[in-house]
Amino acid sequence: GDSVTQMEGPVTLSEEAFLTINCTYTATGYPSLFWYVQYPGEGLQLLLKATKADDKGSNKGFEATYRKETTSFHLEKGSVQVSDSAVYFCALASGTYKYIFGTGTRLKVLA
Amino acid sequence: DVKVTQSSRYLVKRTGEKVFLECVQDMDHENMFWYRQDPGLGLRLIYFSYDVKMKEKGDIPEGYSVSREKKERFSLILESASTNQTSMYLCASSSGLVEQYFGPGTRLTVT
Repeated sequence: GDSVTQMEGPVTLSEEAFLTINCTYTATGYPSLFWYVQYPGEGLQLLLKATKADDKGSNKGFEATYRKETTSFHLEKGSVQVSDSAVYFCALASGTYKYIFGTGTRLKVLA
Repeated sequence: DVKVTQSSRYLVKRTGEKVFLECVQDMDHENMFWYRQDPGLGLRLIYFSYDVKMKEKGDIPEGYSVSREKKERFSLILESASTNQTSMYLCASSSGLVEQYFGPGTRLTVT
């Protein structure tokens, strides 16, 4: 069945460091791909999305490119801030009403 | 601003009690979802609804039921709460198979 695998955390970085959180997926057909972010005590918020191969989603300095050949959707940011500390979820949507989430990666950014 | 609200942020119930969790969205979305979130397991789908009075089981429906009498409201019911249902419960809505919008979550503790 469809699945999403993302790197285990926690990831601890210093402020202004480069961030990569890896995400790979398995799906039949052509899923849409998402990154959601969850700040402490809150629900998930959409960070960015891509709906077809080679699309690049971007928001708030974060980017991810839909790579069909490697079935990946890695999240990157050039310079993280303390306020980026949160849990990040990679997800896909395919078929009918079907969303699959990764297990989440906790990011901690130190000042 | 789009909004998904959940009836409680924190709830403490006793084993065997009947528990109601309510979710309301103001976006006229046809799809609504209930997930539970547990550390290391990510989000797991309990039930979803694609129209009023319509529902489909997700991956872990055992011990839960749902009700959708109006388009904007989706209720999750724990018929007889047990300690293994202690978790964070997240409601979400969507229109079609695009991004989901999440509520803030209800942290339920069953003692």
